[in-house]
Amino acid sequence: ETGVTQSPTHLIKTRGQQVTLRCSSQSGHNTVSWYQQALGQGPQFIFQYYREEENGRGNFPPRFSGLQFPNYSSELNVNALELDDSALYLCASTRDRGYGYTFGSGTRLTVV
Amino acid sequence: GEDVEQSLFLSVREGDSSVINCTYTDSSSTYLYWYKQEPGAGLQLLTYIFSNMDMKQDQRLTVLLNKKDKHLSLRIADTQTGDSAIYFCAETPPADRGSTLGRLYFGRGTQLTVWP
Repeated sequence: ETGVTQSPTHLIKTRGQQVTLRCSSQSGHNTVSWYQQALGQGPQFIFQYYREEENGRGNFPPRFSGLQFPNYSSELNVNALELDDSALYLCASTRDRGYGYTFGSGTRLTVV
Repeated sequence: GEDVEQSLFLSVREGDSSVINCTYTDSSSTYLYWYKQEPGAGLQLLTYIFSNMDMKQDQRLTVLLNKKDKHLSLRIADTQTGDSAIYFCAETPPADRGSTLGRLYFGRGTQLTVWP
C-alpha cells in the first residue's frame, strides 16, 4: 500500500508567477485535503476535495484553486504568487471524508 | 476550532518521560489527534482519541483527555533521542458546526528536544 506522494519536493518561483503542486492519494482514498504550513506555524486548511468536487474551503483567496481527478489524485494551483505564499504545502488523504488523514511529505515553495 | 494552544518548547533527558500539553477550543470535537513532524518531513499520525474516551495507551504513548477543561496531553515514556521532533495537537469539530467534515485544526506545535 503506497502512501501519499507529492511533487515536486521543492521549487522556487518569482512573485506574480503561477504554480501547480501535485498529490497522489493513498490507495483506496477518495478524499484529499490541502494544507499550508508557514515557517513556525501549524498547518492551515486550504480546501478539501471529495469525489472530484470541492467539499470545503478555509480562509484562502480564490487565487488558490484545486482539482481532483477520477483516480483521486489532486492538484493545487496558486496564481499571482506573493512572498507570503512561501510555505510547506501538505496534501493529506483519507477515505470518505473520514478521520485519520495520511499526510504526504509536502512541497516546499519559496517565492522570491 | 481555530485556537488550539500548545507550549512551544519542551526539553527532556533521554530515558525520562515527556508530557506535551494542548488546549483545544471546541468541546464537541469528535476526534483529537497527535501528529509528529521531523525536520523537512510531512506529518505522521501518532495517535488519536475519540471524544467519548478519557485515556488511550499505545506502547510508549499515553493520551489523556479532559473534556471539561478541553485539555489534551501526550505522554511519551522512556523518551529517546529519535523522539526529537515537533508534535502537533489537532482537533476535528463536527461538520454540523459549519466545519468541513474531517477538517483538522492544528496548534502551532511543540518542539521536543531530547538530550542524551
